[in-house]
Amino acid sequence: EAQVTQNPRYLITVTGKKLTVTCSQNMNHEYMSWYRQDPGLGLRQIYYSMNVEVTDKGDVPEGYKVSRKEKRNFPLILESPSPNQTSLYFCASSLHRGADTQYFGPGTRLTVL
Amino acid sequence: QKEVEQDPGPLSVPEGAIVSLNCTYSNSAFQYFMWYRQYSRKGPELLMYTYSSGNKEDGRFTAQVDKSSKYISLFIRDSQPSDSATYLCAMRGYGQNFVFGPGTRLSVLP
Repeated sequence: EAQVTQNPRYLITVTGKKLTVTCSQNMNHEYMSWYRQDPGLGLRQIYYSMNVEVTDKGDVPEGYKVSRKEKRNFPLILESPSPNQTSLYFCASSLHRGADTQYFGPGTRLTVL
Repeated sequence: QKEVEQDPGPLSVPEGAIVSLNCTYSNSAFQYFMWYRQYSRKGPELLMYTYSSGNKEDGRFTAQVDKSSKYISLFIRDSQPSDSATYLCAMRGYGQNFVFGPGTRLSVLP
C-alpha cells in the first residue's frame, strides 16, 4: 500500500531535550516536506526537499533541522525543543515539486512542556 | 493580511444540503488551486485540483475558481454525514510551494 508513515504519532517531551520525528514514504517520490498545523493558522511549511541531499527552508524553519540521506526518509529534528513548538506535524510527499497530489502522513502530535 | 483567508467555521448543515466553502487570496501569482479534506486525527487528503478559472466537477463536488476576484469555492451537493471534516484550500504559483488556508470545519447532521 502506497503511504507516508510517521513516528511517533504522539510525543510529550520537555524543553531542551533533542528529538527526532521520522518520516518515510514508499512511493519513490522525489519531493518531501514537513508542515506544522496550528489552530487558526492552517498548515505552514517548515522545510522541504526536492531530492536526496537537497533541502530548503519553508515558511517557519526556525528551531528545526532536516536531512535527506535516502530518498524514502526525511526526518525532522528538534535540537532544543521549546513550548512554542507544541503542534501537530505532518510529513508529505509528492512525485515532484509541481505534482498535483501531495500525500500526507497521519501526523505527529508533539507537546513540549 | 494573510495570503490565504478562509472562514474557520464551524459550519453545521443538515444532511442533503448544498455546502459552499470559500477561500480568498491576495497573491496574483497563484495558478494552481486545491481542496483537501482532513478527518479528525488524520492527515489531509486531496479532493480537487484545478489550474484555471471556471468550474471542475467530480461526483458531488464542484470546485470553482475566479482568478479575477481571487476567490475559490468548493461546493458539496447532497451532503452526507461522512462529509463532516475540515476542508483546507491550498494554492501555489508556478515553481513555488503550497500555501494553505486555515481550514473550515464542517458538520453534516443526520
